[in-house]
Amino acid sequence: AQSVTQPDIHITVSEGASLELRCNYSYGATPYLFWYVQSPGQGLQLLLKYFSGDTLVQGIKGFEAEFKRSQSSFNLRKPSVHWSDAAEYFCAVGVNTGFQKLVFGTGTRLLVSP
Amino acid sequence: EPEVTQTPSHQVTQMGQEVILRCVPISNHLYFYWYRQILGQKVEFLVSFYNNEISEKSEIFDDQFSVERPDGSNFTLKIRSTKLEDSAMYFCASGGSSSYNEQFFGPGTRLTVL
Repeated sequence: AQSVTQPDIHITVSEGASLELRCNYSYGATPYLFWYVQSPGQGLQLLLKYFSGDTLVQGIKGFEAEFKRSQSSFNLRKPSVHWSDAAEYFCAVGVNTGFQKLVFGTGTRLLVSP
Repeated sequence: EPEVTQTPSHQVTQMGQEVILRCVPISNHLYFYWYRQILGQKVEFLVSFYNNEISEKSEIFDDQFSVERPDGSNFTLKIRSTKLEDSAMYFCASGGSSSYNEQFFGPGTRLTVL
């Protein structure tokens, strides 16, 4: 069965420091991979997606993610974190049997310290 | 920028009552979804809808749930007889002209069943 694992429940990063959020997936076919961010009281906003091609994808707000098939990973990175990046981050795999559903990880809550 | 909207933002109901959660997807989108997130848990797929019919549903989506696109702009989720365990945040999402398109999420409706 398809699944997504985000091993870190909480991460605290100092403002200006770099960030890497981990995501591992399990899916038998070619994965469609997504990172969403959820700020308190808000919906889910798409940060970036990987469908095919270049394994390093750029997203909004200065985020990037790298797809590594050999490691079944799709880690999210940002070189310099801003206080406004504090939020919950969800990795998801798109399972498409003709109609796509997203299977989400449990999320990683990012705290940014001054 | 077009966005998915949901009403109400918060709904409180008594156990056994019927509730209808409303969503207005992005206007030219053809694929519609409902997800839910129980407090502290991952976002879970409920149902996908295309061409006026359910295309896929999860095991959570039992006979108590139904979806409808009554007027070409709204997309509703009905829970016929709410249970305590239905308390969750319910997210509507819409996608474009292909099931491979990314999904845009609304801000969610928080349902509290007492």
